[in-house]
Amino acid sequence: GQNIDQPTEMTATEGAIVQINCTYQTSGFNGLFWYQQHAGEAPTFLSYNVLDGLEEKGRFSSFLSRSKGYSYLLLKELQMKDSASYLCAVRDRAGNMLTFGGGTRLMVKP
Amino acid sequence: DTGVSQDPRHKITKRGQNVTFRCDPISEHNRLYWYRQTLGQGPEFLTYFQNEAQLEKSRLLSDRFSAERPKGSFSTLEIQRTEQGDSAMYLCASTPPGGGMDEQYFGPGTRLTVT
Repeated sequence: GQNIDQPTEMTATEGAIVQINCTYQTSGFNGLFWYQQHAGEAPTFLSYNVLDGLEEKGRFSSFLSRSKGYSYLLLKELQMKDSASYLCAVRDRAGNMLTFGGGTRLMVKP
Repeated sequence: DTGVSQDPRHKITKRGQNVTFRCDPISEHNRLYWYRQTLGQGPEFLTYFQNEAQLEKSRLLSDRFSAERPKGSFSTLEIQRTEQGDSAMYLCASTPPGGGMDEQYFGPGTRLTVT
């Protein structure tokens, strides 16, 4: 099975940088995804890592260490609209399903 | 293409009633997933289709739940004899053929309230 842990809540200031951590223990691994979910809306894809290292995409970056079962999502130049839940998800070896963590609710304050 | 659509967006039903939800994936996406999400939690996998074949089912999917994808396009999820614990957001997602980094595209969800 899969076990995924991430902090429940975080608060940061507009314009700052925030790092959201995710640790996982899995019986199979075929990639790690980060999704953003605003309240009452569907999750939307942010980033994907399958190899170790950093993937950068504009203001968002994601890092993966497979040996440590660890990932983080880095958000730079925070904006108020970044207030949302951020979901870490691991894909199983067969590539058929995602197991999600509980999500980290990020509040960006002025 | 307008993305994954789900219908209805909201459903209120009384305990013991049956409900059915529909999901229309992005056209040409052959893989379709159902998830359930309760407040403050991440989505939980329910079941997965590749074309019309249901290839995987979670233990969460009790015998009151059934999903179909008869022609490999839209899918339905039926819950029989609903219970208050079934109250949740039911999310559908799809991915195109192939593999690799294809992310799952989520629909807006159907919010079920069982009274």
